[in-house]
Amino acid sequence: AQSVTQPDIHITVSEGASLELRCNYSYGATPYLFWYVQSPGQGLQLLLKYFSGDTLVQGIKGFEAEFKRSQSSFNLRKPSVHWSDAAEYFCAVGPYSGAGSYQLTFGKGTKLSVIP
Amino acid sequence: GAVVSQHPSWVICKSGTSVKIECRSLDFQATTMFWYRQFPKQSLMLMATSNEGSKATYEQGVEKDKFLINHASLTLSTLTVTSAHPEDSSFYICSASDTTYEQYFGPGTRLTVT
Repeated sequence: AQSVTQPDIHITVSEGASLELRCNYSYGATPYLFWYVQSPGQGLQLLLKYFSGDTLVQGIKGFEAEFKRSQSSFNLRKPSVHWSDAAEYFCAVGPYSGAGSYQLTFGKGTKLSVIP
Repeated sequence: GAVVSQHPSWVICKSGTSVKIECRSLDFQATTMFWYRQFPKQSLMLMATSNEGSKATYEQGVEKDKFLINHASLTLSTLTVTSAHPEDSSFYICSASDTTYEQYFGPGTRLTVT
């Protein structure tokens, strides 16, 4: 069975500092990997996804993630954090379901707080 | 584009009653819709997957008679929690997928059963 581990429950960074959120996955085949952000009162928004190809993936809002198969990791990074980045971040893995979408397994999330 | 709404955003009901939650794709046709449940400080757990006009596929451990899912059109799916009990209190989130296969998430519905 597939699983996702986000080791950090809560991370606090200063505005302007760099950020790395960790994600480790367990999946028997080539994974499809996703990072979502959840802000209060809003639905999860897709930041980026990896299906194949270049292992460094660029996303929205200045985020990027690197797929490392040898480490079963898909860590999310941002060089300079903005106060508006404070939110909950979820890593997810999913196989193609064959029914027109991907069935996602989510990690427990990492809450990001940003100090002005 | 790709907006998904949920209604209501927050509902309180008494134990033993039923409550219906709506999930709508506002600007696209959703071939597949998903329902998730999220406990505080926990991950999203997939409850079921539904395709328009077909019966929903429930994940193991999810009671299909308790959580009734109807995907009557390409823009609307409903989740009905029947005979709700306090342990059903949770945050329910839907997502909708179009032909690009990407899932677009609704803002969630907070259910409190008293």
